[in-house]
Amino acid sequence: SQTIHQWPATLVQPVGSPLSLECTVEGTSNPNLYWYRQAAGRGLQLLFYSVGIGQISSEVPQNLSASRPQDRQFILSSKKLLLSDSGFYLCAWNSGRSTGELFFGEGSRLTVL
Amino acid sequence: GESVGLHLPTLSVQEGDNSIINCAYSNSASDYFIWYKQESGKGPQFIIDIRSNMDKRQGQRVTVLLNKTVKHLSLQIAATQPGDSAVYFCAEKGAGNMLTFGGGTRLMVKP
Repeated sequence: SQTIHQWPATLVQPVGSPLSLECTVEGTSNPNLYWYRQAAGRGLQLLFYSVGIGQISSEVPQNLSASRPQDRQFILSSKKLLLSDSGFYLCAWNSGRSTGELFFGEGSRLTVL
Repeated sequence: GESVGLHLPTLSVQEGDNSIINCAYSNSASDYFIWYKQESGKGPQFIIDIRSNMDKRQGQRVTVLLNKTVKHLSLQIAATQPGDSAVYFCAEKGAGNMLTFGGGTRLMVKP
């Protein structure tokens, strides 16, 4: 069966520090991968998605970047965090052959101080 | 632009009662809809889905209704339990394989 792992689960970072959140998917090949951000008590905002290695699409301009160095690995990064980067970050995947249902990781809660 | 929205941000129900969570969508070309449940501090979990060629689909204690005429989607939870307390999101799939999420409704179940 397919599983998705996301880490770290929680982190507290100072303003101006770098960020790296990692997501890996197991049990499938060539998944579509997504990074979402969720502010407290709010909905899901799509940040990036990728349909293949090295292929990244950005949905909103921001202080973050994404990379996909391997087929089932998706990384969310920042060189210098801002206070506004605080939030709950969710990685998700689906199959290009599926109806579209997304499978989410457990999330990473980032607090920038 | 196209959007999916919810009528009520918070819904409070008594344990054992039925819950109805509503969602309005604006993209008439959307052909697939999903309801997700998100418990505090966790990622959203799939509850039930429905294709645009259907108007009703039932699962275990949950029913999704789709009214394409008025672009309305609802999630009905029968005999609501404390474990149903969560935020519920509707999502629609339009062009490509991209899902658009609504803003979410928080369901609170009172014992």
